[in-house]
Amino acid sequence: DTGVSQDPRHKITKRGQNVTFRCDPISEHNRLYWYRQTLGQGPEFLTYFQNEAQLEKSRLLSDRFSAERPKGSFSTLEIQRTEQGDSAMYLCASTDRDRSYEQYFGPGTRLTVT
Amino acid sequence: GQQVMQIPQYQHVQEGEDFTTYCNSSTTLSNIQWYKQRPGGHPVFLIQLVKSGEVKKQKRLTFQFGEAKKNSSLHITATQTTDVGTYFCAGGNAGGTSYGKLTFGQGTILTVHP
Repeated sequence: DTGVSQDPRHKITKRGQNVTFRCDPISEHNRLYWYRQTLGQGPEFLTYFQNEAQLEKSRLLSDRFSAERPKGSFSTLEIQRTEQGDSAMYLCASTDRDRSYEQYFGPGTRLTVT
Repeated sequence: GQQVMQIPQYQHVQEGEDFTTYCNSSTTLSNIQWYKQRPGGHPVFLIQLVKSGEVKKQKRLTFQFGEAKKNSSLHITATQTTDVGTYFCAGGNAGGTSYGKLTFGQGTILTVHP
């Protein structure tokens, strides 16, 4: 399978704990995006990378959220001191800007904070 | 910031009826993309429109981009049960570091009764 993969698919954590999610984009895609989606809403932009550079971060993203893409391939999204309001589906998408802006989404990581 | 509004939120149709969802942006867009998300799934790209007044068709689906590049619509003719899902529009901005970033609408949930 050459699509976007995310790990884990589900994560249950207690409030206050830190969590980290991983995204592996399609191999030749140089842009990678993180979104958050809650029930009944569209994906909400969090941040994106072109290669290893983080080009934009949503103003809605608190300092508890950090993302990295150290070698321009896979990316990690970390949430520190989780809160119940962080419960959501975290989606990763990638695209090849030289061909089109179609974004290919991964299956997502569903986070539940208890 | 940019906002993308989508109506209706829900649409229930009988199989064979037509369906339309509308998308409006608070700002002029460089492009608009449409995605479909099946229940329990992730968004899947349908199409991208770039030109003012552009109309594209995919079998029973017709997509339009407004002359002012601030609104768009998706029309499905003679719906089938396989059309069930949530349809999202997503507006893109060109230029600078926001190139490729998408702002999603809230989506229209389509249910089709056989």
